[in-house]
Amino acid sequence: GAVVSQHPSWVICKSGTSVKIECRSLDFQATTMFWYRQFPKQSLMLMATSNEGSKATYEQGVEKDKFLINHASLTLSTLTVTSAHPEDSSFYICSASSGGLDYGYTFGSGTRLTVV
Amino acid sequence: SQQGEEDPQALSIQEGENATMNCSYKTSINNLQWYRQNSGRGLVHLILIRSNEREKHSGRLRVTLDTSKKSSSLLITASRAADTASYFCATDAGYSTLTFGKGTMLLVSP
Repeated sequence: GAVVSQHPSWVICKSGTSVKIECRSLDFQATTMFWYRQFPKQSLMLMATSNEGSKATYEQGVEKDKFLINHASLTLSTLTVTSAHPEDSSFYICSASSGGLDYGYTFGSGTRLTVV
Repeated sequence: SQQGEEDPQALSIQEGENATMNCSYKTSINNLQWYRQNSGRGLVHLILIRSNEREKHSGRLRVTLDTSKKSSSLLITASRAADTASYFCATDAGYSTLTFGKGTMLLVSP
């Protein structure tokens, strides 16, 4: 089946630094990918929709200059958390649709970001 | 915004018992999907039910959808310890984005 590879699985960084998270569709092309954020024991909050070859669409309240999204190819989207602060610590998950209504969306395994 | 609401928030059962989780939503949908998430991991798609469907089965999973009540239920029969996870419903209103509920944490004890 469709596979979305996300890495790193976890990352620890210092305040003020930037962190890049990659999301790759391994066996299908994804013109659209989605980035979510999840706090402990809470649901997923959609941050932005990443569109190949165009600007990402950000949800209300998500700072586009802080969470940079690049979708340069049909199989790769990246999320860069710039000038990270401890409050950015969270679980970030990407997803993509491999097409076919009955298949839902395929999710990456997530990235645990800890900013110290 | 989150429009799905699952209940219960947490469910603890013994192996072999059935587990039922419910989800309510507020707006019209194209389809409703159920996902499973093991602790600290990504989500796994379980089943999708379209707005014109009322019931769907997949292995030990049974999903119902009542669009008049804007609700869905997920039944896991003959539960196993390996079913321990969080379960989320997500609605697709036709705009290719999913809106997730708050989830139900299921604990199945051996």
